Amino acid sequence: GESVGLHLPTLSVQEGDNSIINCAYSNSASDYFIWYKQESGKGPQFIIDIRSNMDKRQGQRVTVLLNKTVKHLSLQIAATQPGDSAVYFCAETSSGNTGKLIFGQGTTLQVKP
Amino acid sequence: GAVVSQHPSRVICKSGTSVKIECRSLDFQATTMFWYRQFPKQSLMLMATSNEGSKATYEQGVEKDKFLINHASLTLSTLTVTSAHPEDSSFYICSARTGGNRAFFGQGTRLTVV
Repeated sequence: GESVGLHLPTLSVQEGDNSIINCAYSNSASDYFIWYKQESGKGPQFIIDIRSNMDKRQGQRVTVLLNKTVKHLSLQIAATQPGDSAVYFCAETSSGNTGKLIFGQGTTLQVKP
Repeated sequence: GAVVSQHPSRVICKSGTSVKIECRSLDFQATTMFWYRQFPKQSLMLMATSNEGSKATYEQGVEKDKFLINHASLTLSTLTVTSAHPEDSSFYICSARTGGNRAFFGQGTRLTVV
């Protein structure tokens, strides 16, 4: 596998605050990026995606920002709720990469009531 | 969204036996599926790409004789962990991509080898 096997960093936020989760991706040829949410004992759940021809995309309460210059991706969650507590992964792929997704390190988000 | 079903969700097996995990795309056809492995508090590591009607493509360091992959139809891929040992205990997750680029994941299989 190509992802890094490190222990996950943790972000702790107060309920109602905004959360920002960051990710550094590895392949400059990657042209499609996705954020996933994973709850304990479950598979990853799609949150939002962005293509390399964009630098920002908004969904419901979530925004993804892409900085190709420094190969950086971020996920912003507005008005964080207890149900947002989970592990968040960014994933990257390229159109010439047979579609395989390579996952980033992941961040644990803890929401304090 | 598209649904990917993985079975079983949990399995406990004895050391030396083999275990088969199924991954099905329920409402779409998937010529390609992917198998991942995840250790506790770590990220998903891609093991192999499963190709319908042809051999799977394994990532570096993954033993193809240990992790047998069969993709016999457009909606089913199976991963067989052969001669399982305690170090094979892990969370195994499959994914399938729709006609667009979006990938959907199964619910995962917790394998415990005793």
